[in-house]
Amino acid sequence: ETGVTQSPTHLIKTRGQQVTLRCSSQSGHNTVSWYQQALGQGPQFIFQYYREEENGRGNFPPRFSGLQFPNYSSELNVNALELDDSALYLCASSPGTSGRYSEQFFGPGTRLTVL
Amino acid sequence: QKEVEQDPGPLSVPEGAIVSLNCTYSNSAFQYFMWYRQYSRKGPELLMYTYSSGNKEDGRFTAQVDKSSKYISLFIRDSQPSDSATYLCAMSDGFGNEKLTFGTGTRLTIIP
Repeated sequence: ETGVTQSPTHLIKTRGQQVTLRCSSQSGHNTVSWYQQALGQGPQFIFQYYREEENGRGNFPPRFSGLQFPNYSSELNVNALELDDSALYLCASSPGTSGRYSEQFFGPGTRLTVL
Repeated sequence: QKEVEQDPGPLSVPEGAIVSLNCTYSNSAFQYFMWYRQYSRKGPELLMYTYSSGNKEDGRFTAQVDKSSKYISLFIRDSQPSDSATYLCAMSDGFGNEKLTFGTGTRLTIIP
């Protein structure tokens, strides 16, 4: 069974540019969540996708947007990059709600540096 | 004030010691409480989860939740150098697969 994978591993962009990060969910998982982890901080929830629909959003501006595909893989897009967007971006997949605890499995993350 | 507070450390203890990691929280709607371990340059991995108040043990790890005090703990017995990592507490008001609210993480080093 393949775990959650993310690409690219590292990325360097300049202020004002746009970036797309990609995530492949674990087999059988239909829910993908994205988190931003700044250096020395815990992950912060950006948004979640369930069966291709946004299913909750954290306190992030609209320039953070996402997409989930029919195979449940997902993209995170960030427009008009700012220096504070430099962080580790984590994707987590889970099998969805079934009325009991459902673990989120995290990928290794994409390290984004904005210069 | 953050919803979840966690002492960032760093915390250094000798091998074999008992480690205590703690978080406090303010949102009484949280019902699932998790501890994740994160090695350098890796994503978090789930160690344990607990539903509501009570204790849960898994090998050398024990998780405790006191909802009346809004306080959770993770104890590591017979600590090993391989336990050196950042430990993150996380909480959910759903079934764990919705938004997780994390603490800042505690960096732990076990000294051989």
